Formats: sequence, C-alpha cells, structure tokens
Amino acid sequence: QKEVEQNSGPLSVPEGAIASLNCTYSDRVSQSFFWYRQYSGKSPELIMSIYSNGDKEDGRFTAQLNKASQYVSLLIRDSQPSDSATYLCAVKSNFNKFYFGSGTKLNVKP
Amino acid sequence: ETGVTQTPRHLVMGMTNKKSLKCEQHLGHNAMYWYKQSAKKPLELMFVYNFKEQTENNSVPSRFSPECPNSSHLFLHLHTLQPEDSALYLCASSQGDGGQETQYFGPGTRLLVL
Repeated sequence: QKEVEQNSGPLSVPEGAIASLNCTYSDRVSQSFFWYRQYSGKSPELIMSIYSNGDKEDGRFTAQLNKASQYVSLLIRDSQPSDSATYLCAVKSNFNKFYFGSGTKLNVKP
Repeated sequence: ETGVTQTPRHLVMGMTNKKSLKCEQHLGHNAMYWYKQSAKKPLELMFVYNFKEQTENNSVPSRFSPECPNSSHLFLHLHTLQPEDSALYLCASSQGDGGQETQYFGPGTRLLVL
C-alpha cells in the first residue's frame, strides 16, 4: 500500500471555477501535510502546509485536513490557466521522513 | 528562489564518466535530501542526511555516492551510470528538528546519460 495516494488526473476545470484536489495517507502518526505545485520540467514549489484538523486559507488556496479520515485536500478558487500544473501531496511522518504522492495533473481551460 | 541551489542545472554524461552534482542551502537547515524524478514517475527518495549523518539510503545502487561535508552542502557523485538513470535530480532541505518542519527544493539537475 502506498503511503500517499492521489488521483493522477488529469483534472480539467474551466477558468474561474473551483479545482478540488484530494489526497489520502496511510500512516496515522503523520504530523505535517503539504501541497506542492510542479510545472513541467521544474522543481516542486511549496504552496501550503497544514498541521491541524480543519481548514487553512491562503489567498485563492484552501487546504483541508481530516486526520480521522486520513484525508487532505486542496481547493483552488477562481482557477487560472497559470494554475495548470501537477500538484503533489506530501506527508511527514517520523523524523525526517517525507512521503510524496504521484501527483494530480490539473488543466485549467481558458 | 527557495534558498536551495543546485549545480549544474543540466548535465550530459557518458556511461564511463564520473561527475558530481552539488547542492547548497542557505536556510540554516540541518537535514538535506536527494530525490530522483523520472519522466511521468513520482519522486523517489534516494538519501537523507541529518546533521551531516546519513539517516536514509533507499536501496540506491552504489554507482550513486552521496557526500555531506557539512549541513549546508550535499553532493551526489556519479560513476558508471546507465541510460535509465537519466532523470531530474532534486535536492531538498528541511529544519531537521523533527517538529513542524517544511521541505524546500532546489531547481534540480537535469541529467542525461548517453
């Protein structure tokens, strides 16, 4: 069983819509959760981190965490074509152990 | 700019060559990582160093040899590579204190093995 699972997509949304990206993880002792954006040929760029249950908002991005369900999500409001990228979910479990999902490719159509 | 730099950004090498990748972080972190990302594949963790000590070797072939002389620098020495080793090699760093630490990535080295 993979530690972090994501739907590979592609997820297609029209410009201005809400994009919803989901992630599940297997290790119940996981402490920290991250969303990275990766453009083709580039390195992952940190978008959001979340550590406690509930929602965390930063501009157009909202991360949601539910530890009981072992579920993390990322909502992107007012999606723009520039948001088109692969979104990686990452989970930090034990000391210095970061696990990454395979990523969800998002296409925002003008 | 994340505070993590990598050189070279692009590298082409033959299977008999020896080369080294360099990573430097300016964030005051104590943990550094090497990842491999092949085309259309997820990130693969290769090595982890914490306070200059290797804490993880994810079954990486011996033709990849890491070196961490101090908490700010990390090298990946390459020797007798195979074409399937062609990939994006990413360096990352984090606080290394076991708390709510965040991992930051460098720009990567795009490696092509001929």
